[in-house]
Amino acid sequence: EAGVAQSPRYKIIEKRQSVAFWCNPISGHATLYWYQQILGQGPKLLIQFQNNGVVDDSQLPKDRFSAERLKGVDSTLKIQPAKLEDSAVYLCASSLDTGRAEAFFGQGTRLTVV
Amino acid sequence: AQSVTQLGSHVSVSEGALVLLRCNYSSSVPPYLFWYVQYPNQGLQLLLKYTTGATLVKGINGFEAEFKKSETSFHLTKPSAHMSDAAEYFCAVSAPGSQGNLIFGKGTKLSVKP
Repeated sequence: EAGVAQSPRYKIIEKRQSVAFWCNPISGHATLYWYQQILGQGPKLLIQFQNNGVVDDSQLPKDRFSAERLKGVDSTLKIQPAKLEDSAVYLCASSLDTGRAEAFFGQGTRLTVV
Repeated sequence: AQSVTQLGSHVSVSEGALVLLRCNYSSSVPPYLFWYVQYPNQGLQLLLKYTTGATLVKGINGFEAEFKKSETSFHLTKPSAHMSDAAEYFCAVSAPGSQGNLIFGKGTKLSVKP
C-alpha cells in the first residue's frame, strides 16, 4: 500500500515570495491533515479536511496561508507571502476517518525562507 | 484544553540499557494517547496507541507504554536499546470526539551510545 506522498521535499524561497506544497493521501482515506513542525517543536495542526470539506482551520494563519482539497483526494497548501518564521517542515497526514483511526504521515516538505 | 508535556528534550542511553521516555498529559476527558517516532528527514511513524481497554499497550520495535490515569502519564519504555532506536519521539493526545486532531509534545531526542 502506497503511503502519503508529498512534494517537493525541500524548498528555499525568499521572504514575500509564494510557495505551494502538494499532498496525495493514502487511497480511501477521507481525512487529511496539514501540520507545521518548527525546528525543536512538535507538529502543530494547521488544517483538517474531511473529504473536501474543512473540519478545523482554527490555527491556520488565513491572511497568508490557504489550503484546498478538490475532489476530496489531493490537497495543496499555499503560503503567500512567506515570512521568515514560516521556515518549518510541513507534514501531511491522512486517516480513514475522524474517529480513532491512526494518522499516517508523509515525509514532509522542509521550507526555508531567507 | 489539552496539552502534552515530555520531560527531557534529550535522553541518552547505552546500547542494551532500558529506554524510558516520559509523557504527561492534561485533558478534561480520558484521551486517546499516541507515541510517534521520527527519524531524520522522515515523517512520523506510529509506534503505539491507547484508546480504550488494556492500559499496557505494546507497539512496534519492542516498545510499550502504560496508560496511568491517576498519574496522567503515558511513558514509553523498551527493555533493551538498540542503535537503530536513535530518533526523536513524540507523544500526542487526541480527545474522543475531537475529530482526530493530535496535540503533540515537543519531542524527546533519543541517543544510543555503543
